[in-house]
Amino acid sequence: DTAVSQTPKYLVTQMGNDKSIKCEQNLGHDTMYWYKQDSKKFLKIMFSYNNKELIINETVPNRFSPKSPDKAHLNLHINSLELGDSAVYFCASSQVRGASGPYEQYFGPGTRLTVT
Amino acid sequence: DQQVKQNSPSLSVQEGRISILNCDYTNSMFDYFLWYKKYPAEGPTFLISISSIKDKNEDGRFTVFLNKSAKHLSLHIVPSQPGDSAVYFCAATSGGLDKIIFGKGTRLHILP
Repeated sequence: DTAVSQTPKYLVTQMGNDKSIKCEQNLGHDTMYWYKQDSKKFLKIMFSYNNKELIINETVPNRFSPKSPDKAHLNLHINSLELGDSAVYFCASSQVRGASGPYEQYFGPGTRLTVT
Repeated sequence: DQQVKQNSPSLSVQEGRISILNCDYTNSMFDYFLWYKKYPAEGPTFLISISSIKDKNEDGRFTVFLNKSAKHLSLHIVPSQPGDSAVYFCAATSGGLDKIIFGKGTRLHILP
């Protein structure tokens, strides 16, 4: 029973196209995230949503737009794809930080996006 | 500007011995440090964390040590097992937002 799932697992597309990656969590968490792992293997946060509200928005091009239809879903839509968008995108979820510190984040398996 | 640095891209350790993975950070505002483990084609999984008010946290075979004055932390795995072969990410966070800053990772190979 997958906790955080992403679809698709692989995505190959041409420059200029628009694509979406879907993420769902069945853990009942309040917060969801999108991370990007680039070719240099750095894992960087892109967005964070808490109860469908955007709370973290890193310096990400406007072509990237997260959408949270409900607490269990956070989708990532990318317009006008560029070569540099090729990376592995991870979705994650967690509870809201408590008094004892941040709760662990649970990651999905990742979506490998290749832009040609 | 890497706030979390893992200077060893890879490490090989004999099965049964101790594995020590190191991590340095630059931001003194970090209040929590975490270690994640990642297998190929999977997402990172949480391993262990430590608050900045502590200097050690232990969970089974895994122990994390924090040296705040040196801005250094390390993960000890003892004894090392074949299933420990993976990429280990050091990470840190500060303040109320759960914005985790990850290091580049260290690939650990456990040799038979």
